[in-house]
Amino acid sequence: GAVVSQHPSRVICKSGTSVKIECRSLDFQATTMFWYRQFPKQSLMLMATSNEGSKATYEQGVEKDKFLINHASLTLSTLTVTSAHPEDSSFYICSARAAGGLREQYFGPGTRLTVT
Amino acid sequence: AQSVSQHNHHVILSEAASLELGCNYSYGGTVNLFWYVQYPGQHLQLLLKYFSGDPLVKGIKGFEAEFIKSKFSFNLRKPSVQWSDTAEYFCAVNALDNDMRFGAGTRLTVKP
Repeated sequence: GAVVSQHPSRVICKSGTSVKIECRSLDFQATTMFWYRQFPKQSLMLMATSNEGSKATYEQGVEKDKFLINHASLTLSTLTVTSAHPEDSSFYICSARAAGGLREQYFGPGTRLTVT
Repeated sequence: AQSVSQHNHHVILSEAASLELGCNYSYGGTVNLFWYVQYPGQHLQLLLKYFSGDPLVKGIKGFEAEFIKSKFSFNLRKPSVQWSDTAEYFCAVNALDNDMRFGAGTRLTVKP
């Protein structure tokens, strides 16, 4: 099956710094990638949807200047958390959808971000 | 390593048929268990979740799931499916370290 990877799997950064999370579709081209956030014991919350070559669409309440999303190629999307604060500590999950299909959405394993 | 297995890749049912989707996980510690649904063209939605207590969990839209600890299973059930249940279903497991792992998903097609 299709594989989506995320890097890093865990990251710890200091408050005020920025951190970049990569999401890659390893064996298919992803025209659309999704970024989710999950707080402990809660369901995933969709943060934004990114289409290759265009600006991401952010969900209501998600600060686009804080969570920068770049989907520069059909196999890579990045989420940059800028000026991170402890409240940004969370589990971030990406998923990727292949071209030409409605169901082919594959999830990455997630990235645990801890801001100290 | 923690993993989640969904045995059925694609299930095709007629309306009013009963549904059971399998989910097994490999983790010996305490886990939280979830079922998510994704309708065509939409993002994930939470169907139900189990944290503790009654192992039979009822969710939205008539779905339920039973946590059987001895079998490391959390199967999803619905007594009578509808055409509108056509979707992708994801089982997910969240261990104590809060890292979420998802199953590969099961596509359900309900024929009218």
